[in-house]
This record gives sequence, C-alpha cells and structure tokens, in this order.
Amino acid sequence: DGGITQSPKYLFRKEGQNVTLSCEQNLNHDAMYWYRQDPGQGLRLIYYSQIVNDFQKGDIAEGYSVSREKKESFPLTVTSAQKNPTAFYLCASTLPGLGNQPQHFGDGTRLSIL
Amino acid sequence: QKEVEQDPGPLSVPEGAIVSLNCTYSNSAFQYFMWYRQYSRKGPELLMYTYSSGNKEDGRFTAQVDKSSKYISLFIRDSQPSDSATYLCAMSVNQGGKLIFGQGTELSVKP
Repeated sequence: DGGITQSPKYLFRKEGQNVTLSCEQNLNHDAMYWYRQDPGQGLRLIYYSQIVNDFQKGDIAEGYSVSREKKESFPLTVTSAQKNPTAFYLCASTLPGLGNQPQHFGDGTRLSIL
Repeated sequence: QKEVEQDPGPLSVPEGAIVSLNCTYSNSAFQYFMWYRQYSRKGPELLMYTYSSGNKEDGRFTAQVDKSSKYISLFIRDSQPSDSATYLCAMSVNQGGKLIFGQGTELSVKP
C-alpha cells in the first residue's frame, strides 16, 4: 500500500547529540514537509521541500537540518542547537497543484530528552 | 494574533449528540480548507477538504466555510465513541501549498 513511513516511533536524545528522524514515501509525491506538534499548539512547519535537492525553511527551522537527495526520502536531523527538542514530529507529502492532493501524514516520531 | 484560531476544548459529549467544531482565521487569502482527525499517537488523517465558501457533506460529517466571516466549522451528526480524537483545522492559500493549522480540539464521545 502507498503511504508515508516514519521511523523510529520513539527516540531519545542525549545532551549534545544530533539525532536523525527518517521519512520515506512511496506515493510518488514531489513535495515533502516536516512538522513539529506540541500540546496545545497545533502543527508548526519546520522545513519543506518541493523538489529533489531543494528545500526551504519553515516557521521554526532553527536547530534543525534536512536533506532531499531522493524523491522518496526527506530525513530530519535534530541538532544539539535545538534546546527544546521534546515533541511529536510529523512528516507529510503532497503533489502540489495537481487535483485535490492535500498533505498526507505519517504516524510520527516522538522525541524525548534523556 | 495567530493566523488560525481554534476553540481549544476539550469537548465531551454523549453518544448520538451533534458536535460543532470551529475555527476562525485572519488571512482573507485562504481558499482551501481542511479538517483532519488525529487519534492518539497517530498522524493526522484528512477528513474533509473544501474550496471557497459553502457546505460539503460526507456521511455524518459536514464542513462549512463562511469566507465573509472568516469562519469554518465541522459538524458531526450522531457522534460515536470512535469519533473521539483531536480535530485539527488547516487552511492554505494555494492548492497543495503550505498549510496553516489550528491548535486542535480534543473531542471525547461518551457511550
């Protein structure tokens, strides 16, 4: 079945450590997104990529980095510069501009500090 | 002021009740409006997708958009315990473009 796979489901980060969250999609979607979800704050956009080898900062990009080397993959690295990384991270994808293709989501990665 | 404001809830209703979930927004350029349902520890799933003003019905769910008032609603008829989830409104200027989300309303439907 087509969909978005995020891994791992749970992740723990030590002080000063960078961690990478995986997002893979087999929907053949061009655009991919990373959101952060905190209680009572809805979803906030971290980074997005409309096409391979190109990405843009969202509203809260500080302390995060991404790459988009393949259409199917959009990994997110939470760096040690992100001082409050504990949150639920959601990856999404969409085909912009073609029919009714709003964003489809994975089941998220919950990141906590050790 | 946030671009999209959603009634915070939480909301608790008895089974069979009609539920009304609401969002207001400030950006008049929004044209595409969505409602997502999110079960605990899961990603959001698209429930309703509407363009511009008017109503859209899908089974027990009705989405309503009033662009003149910058107000959208989701109505759930004959609510079921399986409807218990967090409901997120979202909107964008362009089709498939950057989504702006509300904070989410947690709904609990009691048997």
